[in-house]
Amino acid sequence: GENVEQHPSTLSVQEGDSAVIKCTYSDSASNYFPWYKQELGKRPQLIIDIRSNVGEKKDQRIAVTLNKTAKHFSLHITETQPEDSAVYFCAASTGGTSYGKLTFGQGTILTVHP
Amino acid sequence: NAGVTQTPKFQVLKTGQSMTLQCAQDMNHEYMSWYRQDPGMGLRLIHYSVGAGITDQGEVPNGYNVSRSTTEDFPLRLLSAAPSQTSVYFCASSSRGSDGTGELFFGEGSRLTVL
Repeated sequence: GENVEQHPSTLSVQEGDSAVIKCTYSDSASNYFPWYKQELGKRPQLIIDIRSNVGEKKDQRIAVTLNKTAKHFSLHITETQPEDSAVYFCAASTGGTSYGKLTFGQGTILTVHP
Repeated sequence: NAGVTQTPKFQVLKTGQSMTLQCAQDMNHEYMSWYRQDPGMGLRLIHYSVGAGITDQGEVPNGYNVSRSTTEDFPLRLLSAAPSQTSVYFCASSSRGSDGTGELFFGEGSRLTVL
């Protein structure tokens, strides 16, 4: 089955700095790569996703890049703010009949210091 | 829409007791699943269902049972609770997009402690 590795497990930055979280996956058939943000005591919520036919996607201060050859994808947050502090999870899915079956990384605790 | 609703939000059990975590969604999603979240281990899939009457095992199914009699409901049963099942449980649902992928919508979570 799919295996997703996520690094780093914790990340501490100063407000205004950039933050980068990296994930690798094992199943070359995976074609959907979402990122979820989970605030303390809350449910995970989708913040951005990318399909395998796209190399990069941006949404305001958040961007995701995908390298299918190397089987890794990354989340980039620019101009970080204290409200970006949360746990971030990457995930991978093969879509098709398994469209809802996501394999998650271990999570990254991001702390943004004012 | 209420989205995905889980009950109870908190539960304390003694070893060997049984219980059912309830999950309901009102988005007419075909796909529903249960994940458990443990520190440092991310979200791990327990069981999932692609439609009423169809269920399958995920990564960590042992000790859990599910059934899907309706599109809306997907309960998770613990038959004989063990301390290793202490965790936060999330129910999620998804519908298939036009490109074959699907965003997962999560419930608020159920925190279970087994003593």
